[in-house]
Amino acid sequence: EIVMTQSPATLSVSPGERATLSCRANQSLTSTLAWYQQKPGQAPRLLIYGASTRATGIPARFSGSGSGTEFTLTISSLQSEDFAVYYCQQYNNWPPALTFGGGTKVEIK
Amino acid sequence: EVQLLESGGGLVQPGGSLRLSCEASGFTFSSYAMTWVRQAPGKGLGWVSGISDTGISTYYADSVKGRFTISRDNSKNTLYLQMNSLRAEDTAVYYCARARTPRGVVNYFDYWGQGTLVTVSS
Repeated sequence: EIVMTQSPATLSVSPGERATLSCRANQSLTSTLAWYQQKPGQAPRLLIYGASTRATGIPARFSGSGSGTEFTLTISSLQSEDFAVYYCQQYNNWPPALTFGGGTKVEIK
Repeated sequence: EVQLLESGGGLVQPGGSLRLSCEASGFTFSSYAMTWVRQAPGKGLGWVSGISDTGISTYYADSVKGRFTISRDNSKNTLYLQMNSLRAEDTAVYYCARARTPRGVVNYFDYWGQGTLVTVSS
């Protein structure tokens, strides 16, 4: 099983600051990684796929990078609506055995 | 507008069964792979099962293999999850979601329903 580890578990950031979230896999994924945002009481929202491609309608302040086992989601200037939990998800296996990271909560400092 | 509407959740005793449904609208349902993802109360996301656009290929997490069955009826634009031999650890909100790419595989998901809560308790 591919295990995804996200860090930190909680990130305290002031509005307007940059947030950097990490996601690590226990084996190489090439670029088969997605990022989601989830707000309380809502379904997840796709932000990034292919490690670095923004999904439709996602603002440019969200960017993804990395390959192999180390990935990063960067929010360049946090807006009030960005405070949420962020999950990474790998889709490298065939047949599919998808796994999510444990999440990073981005909270207001 | 793409919409996914789950139903069928509720309270069930351990060992019991439940069937979830996900009614899709606003897109050509038969062209997209679909998936179920769950979230236990206060916990993270967990992939449960996926199905190809035709329904021929199905995939399961080890934790539900042999107990859950995913299926779809493309004539009714509906995805299903039959859950048998339910356990307390299956308690979660269950989301259906659409794979992003038409005719693609079960990989990442661009539209999600609002979820339906399944509680397994005596």
